[in-house]
Order: sequence, then structure tokens, then C-alpha cells
Amino acid sequence: DGGITQSPKYLFRKEGQNVTLSCEQNLNHDAMYWYRQDPGQGLRLIYYSQIVNDFQKGDIAEGYSVSREKKESFPLTVTSAQKNPTAFYLCASRAGAGHEQYFGPGTRLTVT
Amino acid sequence: GENVEQHPSTLSVQEGDSAVIKCTYSDSASNYFPWYKQELGKRPQLIIDIRSNVGEKKDQRIAVTLNKTAKHFSLHITETQPEDSAVYFCAARLPGGGADGLTFGKGTHLIIQP
Repeated sequence: DGGITQSPKYLFRKEGQNVTLSCEQNLNHDAMYWYRQDPGQGLRLIYYSQIVNDFQKGDIAEGYSVSREKKESFPLTVTSAQKNPTAFYLCASRAGAGHEQYFGPGTRLTVT
Repeated sequence: GENVEQHPSTLSVQEGDSAVIKCTYSDSASNYFPWYKQELGKRPQLIIDIRSNVGEKKDQRIAVTLNKTAKHFSLHITETQPEDSAVYFCAARLPGGGADGLTFGKGTHLIIQP
């Protein structure tokens, strides 16, 4: 089923709390991505990493942080600075230039 | 950067009819155009893609056409079936850009009426 897992599927948090979303892949892919999906907004890039120990901001990085200590893992932390954190979060990975992106099953985060 | 516009946002067709979804892109240097299908609550999955050196690509009931001059590309689904109901996203890739340069359209909700 694509070899990318995200956990948990649903996550609930109180406003003001940081929360970390997990993304793991066993595809030996170099590049990994985090997207946010809101109704009618398509997929917007939060952060990406093309190699271990390196990552770059995407289009909407404010209020988020990531790490890439292992090739297989790219966790995303939604901080209390993110003004509208409630959304569907998708992780993706890619083998290399010219290859397709594979998506994980997503985590739906609700912050109240 | 790249900007991708996708139309329509919602498309309703009778089962068995054809469906066409259109996208335009802004940067003529973009060279890769994938289409993703996302069923409710599930992950987007690649259904077809086309590169800039090709004008058309077909895979059974699905086809994609690319007009580089006009900077638009379209997804065509023929003989639509209930399982085609989903949200479809187009994307364009700008070579040399970070993150593989994929920019997504906002999606089209395709509804197949029985």
C-alpha cells in the first residue's frame, strides 16, 4: 500500500499545544514532503527534505517544524504558533528526480 | 514560481458519459504534469502523467492531452463509472525548483450520476 505510513489517522488537541505527526517510509526514497489539505484549497507544501539532515521550507511553513534524522522518517510538528492548524496533513516521498510522488494515508488534525 | 489553475471545481456527469477536467499553468518551463485521484478520506494516487515532449497519453479509459503553446493540459475520462467519483488534482513541475517543483491545482470533485 505504497510503503508510507502516517500515524495517527485522527488527532485531537487543545489550542496552545504542540503536536507531532509521524511519517515513515520503507521505500528507500530520498525525498520526503509534508502537505496540508483544506477544502477547496488543494495541496499546499509545508516542508520538504531531499536528503537526511537537510530540509527546506515550502509555501506555508510558518507555525510548523520538521526534522530528518533518518532517511525513513520525517516527522512534522504543528506548533502553537500555527493560527489555523485544523486540517488534513499528507506526507509524501519520491525516489528521485523524474519519479512520481507517493502519498501516505494522511492524518486529520483537529484543534479546539 | 508556478501557478496552476484547475476547472471546474465540481463536475457532475451521467454514468457512461465522458468527463473533461482542464488545467492551465503559468511557467512555460514546466515539463511534467501528473494527475492524482483522491477518494474521500484517502490518499491521492497517481493515475496518469505526461511529460512536455509528448502531446497525448492514454491508459484505457483515461487520457491526458498537453498543449504547450497554450500552457494547458486536460484529463479525459470516457465511459465513466461510479468508481470514478472522486476529487482529481492536476499538478505541474518546474525543473530545477526545490521539492521537485510540483504545484497542485485546487482539485475537481467529479460526481458520476447513476
